Amino acid sequence: AQTVTQSQPEMSVQEAETVTLSCTYDTSESNYYLFWYKQPPSRQMILVIRQEAYKQQNATENRFSVNFQKAAKSFSLKISDSQLGDTAMYFCAFMKHGYGGATNKLIFGTGTLLAVQP
Amino acid sequence: NAGVTQTPKFQVLKTGQSMTLQCAQDMNHEYMSWYRQDPGMGLRLIHYSVGAGITDQGEVPNGYNVSRSTTEDFPLRLLSAAPSQTSVYFCASSYSGTGGLDTQYFGPGTRLTVL
Repeated sequence: AQTVTQSQPEMSVQEAETVTLSCTYDTSESNYYLFWYKQPPSRQMILVIRQEAYKQQNATENRFSVNFQKAAKSFSLKISDSQLGDTAMYFCAFMKHGYGGATNKLIFGTGTLLAVQP
Repeated sequence: NAGVTQTPKFQVLKTGQSMTLQCAQDMNHEYMSWYRQDPGMGLRLIHYSVGAGITDQGEVPNGYNVSRSTTEDFPLRLLSAAPSQTSVYFCASSYSGTGGLDTQYFGPGTRLTVL
């Protein structure tokens, strides 16, 4: 069975600074996807970034980038130039690769609550 | 497109009562699922469906029933609510058969309290 671990329950960062959120996972699969979701106080789940395990290049979306270390089973999220709107709970999630709906199941970590201070 | 909609947004039940959480999507997605979110535990999969007439259990299915008679709707039924079912419930949908290439869209959630 796959597991996802986020060891930082809470983090704080000053506006405009850079912060890194950690995520490790355990799987025996060789092909999979990793995600970071953001949940602001509105409770809406928003996809931040996605990484395909077969791609060596780290994914980037504007101020958000990941450091994907497949051998170490590590998938950290870096937020550059932090903004007040980045304040949210961040969840790391794993999905097994395959075809057919049974592989669309997301396994989530317990989340990291990020507070961006003015 | 309304995306994924859930009703109600909030609900309070007494132990033993039954209710149905509604979920609908207008994106013609084959795959739909229900998650529950509890403090300190992230989101956990309750049930999922890969198409009309096809459902299966997730990680925490006990106490919940689902059915999928149409592509658009995927209701979650609590037959006899228990305090352990106090949680926030999310419905999600995506295209199926692409192995994660398509984004899963989440509804706004339903906060359920069982007294």
